[in-house]
Amino acid sequence: GESVGLHLPTLSVQEGDNSIINCAYSNSASDYFIWYKQESGKGPQFIIDIRSNMDKRQGQRVTVLLNKTVKHLSLQIAATQPGDSAVYFCAENKASGGGADGLTFGKGTHLIIQP
Amino acid sequence: EAQVTQNPRYLITVTGKKLTVTCSQNMNHEYMSWYRQDPGLGLRQIYYSMNVEVTDKGDVPEGYKVSRKEKRNFPLILESPSPNQTSLYFCASSFVGAETEAFFGQGTRLTVV
Repeated sequence: GESVGLHLPTLSVQEGDNSIINCAYSNSASDYFIWYKQESGKGPQFIIDIRSNMDKRQGQRVTVLLNKTVKHLSLQIAATQPGDSAVYFCAENKASGGGADGLTFGKGTHLIIQP
Repeated sequence: EAQVTQNPRYLITVTGKKLTVTCSQNMNHEYMSWYRQDPGLGLRQIYYSMNVEVTDKGDVPEGYKVSRKEKRNFPLILESPSPNQTSLYFCASSFVGAETEAFFGQGTRLTVV
């Protein structure tokens, strides 16, 4: 069936190091893949998305990589800071062509920043 | 300030007592949706709406109703809540065509006893 999942429930990194959060997906028909960040007690917050016809997209301190061959998505965070501590969700946009069935979320990875 | 506002933030209720969780957005978004978040299951979509008077089921709609009489509001209705609806609920909104960049509310923690 269709699913979006994450490899690890918890990732611990040293402050200042780079973080890589991974995600596997199974629905090859998705138009977009997205990363959300959820801080404790808050709703998810959009970080970055990537269209399915791209393999890399960069934002401010974040890079998303998409490998369609192995159906793998990753989020790289450069020089992690204490404020990066959160749960990170990958998601896919189920509908194509700008439709709006909604987002299918993975289960989340808890990123912990060690001082 | 652009935001999605949910009320209440916390609610404890008893089985069978009808309740409504309100959601309002001030960004003139056409698209609104409701999710529930449960440990180990992530966020799952309950219902969504692409515009006024247009609603559709998501992945887990059983036991829920919604309405979209105005563009800014999208209430979630539990006609007869049951304990398995104890969860953390999020409302989200976006422009149609930009559903990947959804804005989420702060969440409503519902406990049904």
